[in-house]
Amino acid sequence: GEDVEQSLFLSVREGDSSVINCTYTDSSSTYLYWYKQEPGAGLQLLTYIFSNMDMKQDQRLTVLLNKKDKHLSLRIADTQTGDSAIYFCAEKDDKIIFGKGTRLHILP
Amino acid sequence: DTGVSQDPRHKITKRGQNVTFRCDPISEHNRLYWYRQTLGQGPEFLTYFQNEAQLEKSRLLSDRFSAERPKGSFSTLEIQRTEQGDSAMYLCASSSESWNQPQHFGDGTRLSIL
Repeated sequence: GEDVEQSLFLSVREGDSSVINCTYTDSSSTYLYWYKQEPGAGLQLLTYIFSNMDMKQDQRLTVLLNKKDKHLSLRIADTQTGDSAIYFCAEKDDKIIFGKGTRLHILP
Repeated sequence: DTGVSQDPRHKITKRGQNVTFRCDPISEHNRLYWYRQTLGQGPEFLTYFQNEAQLEKSRLLSDRFSAERPKGSFSTLEIQRTEQGDSAMYLCASSSESWNQPQHFGDGTRLSIL
């Protein structure tokens, strides 16, 4: 069945780069997404990548897609305290399937 | 752009009571989705509408759950005879019909069953 896996926690020092990894199972996924969720809030769309691309860059965010290995990553450059949140990887074919989220903790 | 809005933000009720949540999507979006999110999990799909038609329902949507979107704009999600296991965040999202457009989420309604 469809499944999206992510590591649950990541700690990074302020100013360093954060890399959040995700694997998915559905090879027919057309889009892959990264959403950010802050405490008590809904999901904010950060970026998404079409399945025929292998990289997308948007300011401090870089998404890498390895379709052969079904691996997606999100790199946040120059991580700031405001980046502290839960990051969800999601795949979409006809509907969106979310991972359990990676909690990003920023160390001073 | 007013975004997706949900009401109420929080609902506390006793087990066995009925509750109803409302979602107002982004005005030009004709697709509307409901998700449930429990602690430590990602959102799980419940159902979605295209305009007023409910096109898909998840196995998670038991008979106690009903969703409507009568005029193709706002939607309601009702849970009858609430149970402890219904405690969760209920998220609404909307998107345009174009297949390559992402879903935009509201801030959710947090339901707590006493």
